[in-house]
Amino acid sequence: AQSVTQLDSHVSVSEGTPVLLRCNYSSSYSPSLFWYVQHPNKGLQLLLKYTSAATLVKGINGFEAEFKKSETSFHLTKPSAHMSDAAEYFCVVSEGSGYSTLTFGKGTMLLVSP
Amino acid sequence: NAGVTQTPKFQVLKTGQSMTLQCAQDMNHNSMYWYRQDPGMGLRLIYYSASEGTTDKGEVPNGYNVSRLNKREFSLRLESAAPSQTSVYFCASSGGSPGNEKLFFGSGTQLSVL
Repeated sequence: AQSVTQLDSHVSVSEGTPVLLRCNYSSSYSPSLFWYVQHPNKGLQLLLKYTSAATLVKGINGFEAEFKKSETSFHLTKPSAHMSDAAEYFCVVSEGSGYSTLTFGKGTMLLVSP
Repeated sequence: NAGVTQTPKFQVLKTGQSMTLQCAQDMNHNSMYWYRQDPGMGLRLIYYSASEGTTDKGEVPNGYNVSRLNKREFSLRLESAAPSQTSVYFCASSGGSPGNEKLFFGSGTQLSVL
């Protein structure tokens, strides 16, 4: 069975400093992994997706994530936070094809202070 | 290009009342989904429809019914609302070129059951 754990419920950073949002996963197969972002009162938007092509995945808005099989991790990073990055971020794992087999993490709220 | 449109955005019900949440997508996607989002829980799949005329249960289907009215529309019905169904509901659809499918979300319906 697949599962995903987001290690921090809240992360606070200052504008211009690096962002690190941590995610560990468990899967019996080679999973697909995703990061989604949710701004207040909005639906979720895909940031990036890993499907075994390359371990370092670049996404939108300067975010990237690295798949580390030995550590079962898929942490999300950004070199320099912007105020507009303040949102909730979800790490998602899928063992199957299609989107009916997604397991969502509980989310990490990113707070960005000026 | 509206994407995924959900109505209503907000709804308050009394226990035992019924209602239908509407969802429509204009991207010609085959697959559509209904999720619920509860604080600290991430998103959980209620029902999905892989194609017009088919529906399948997700992780938390009890208390809900769905109808895939046509390729564009996928509705979620609460026959007898309960306080445990207080949540934010998201409709989504998926599609795209093979190997590059993506999941698109509506902006959500905030439902309170008193």
